Amino acid sequence: NAGVTQTPKFQVLKTGQSMTLQCAQDMNHNSMYWYRQDPGMGLRLIYYSASEGTTDKGEVPNGYNVSRLNKREFSLRLESAAPSQTSVYFCASSAGTAFRTDTQYFGPGTRLTVL
Amino acid sequence: AQKVTQAQTEISVVEKEDVTLDCVYETRDTTYYLFWYKQPPSGELVFLIRRNSFDEQNEISGRYSWNFQKSTSSFNFTITASQVVDSAVYFCALSVLNSGGYQKVTFGIGTKLQVIP
Repeated sequence: NAGVTQTPKFQVLKTGQSMTLQCAQDMNHNSMYWYRQDPGMGLRLIYYSASEGTTDKGEVPNGYNVSRLNKREFSLRLESAAPSQTSVYFCASSAGTAFRTDTQYFGPGTRLTVL
Repeated sequence: AQKVTQAQTEISVVEKEDVTLDCVYETRDTTYYLFWYKQPPSGELVFLIRRNSFDEQNEISGRYSWNFQKSTSSFNFTITASQVVDSAVYFCALSVLNSGGYQKVTFGIGTKLQVIP
């Protein structure tokens, strides 16, 4: 099992460009999450999907959109990148549901730089 | 609101020393989970341990041990006989079920551990 995979691993964008970060998990997990990690701020939740077909905003959703394509895949889109979105992005998945919490397992991360 | 405090931002120890990483949490929920994750220089986040709020038993796994004390809202992590491979950033995290039906995880800002050979 690959666990949680993310593509790309690195990306450099110019201000205003768009891109989609891909995430897939092979653990048959219900829940998937997108976080960003910035120095001194820990991880902050951008969007989550509690189950296939549902998505909701987390703490810092502005400037992002997501799609839960199926149970395996959860993508994060930047429509018009800004330098403030320079960060490391992590995707995570969990067997947890709306009624039960569980461990979140993380992908390897995408390091994004917006010039 | 939930909060996780890791007061030690950076720690340096000499190889084979023992080191304890502190974690203090705040929550009004009676049901919650606590986690420790390791982030080595390569950048990935590696799950180490999970504890639920009803299980205060300490746990030992090899050189790693965890001390969970609800009375002081602490979940500390000790590495015995540290090794260079233990050099990483360690995150403590608190998870509760949000009223919106998802698992809200609050992370501390991390403790960077450097083990010097």
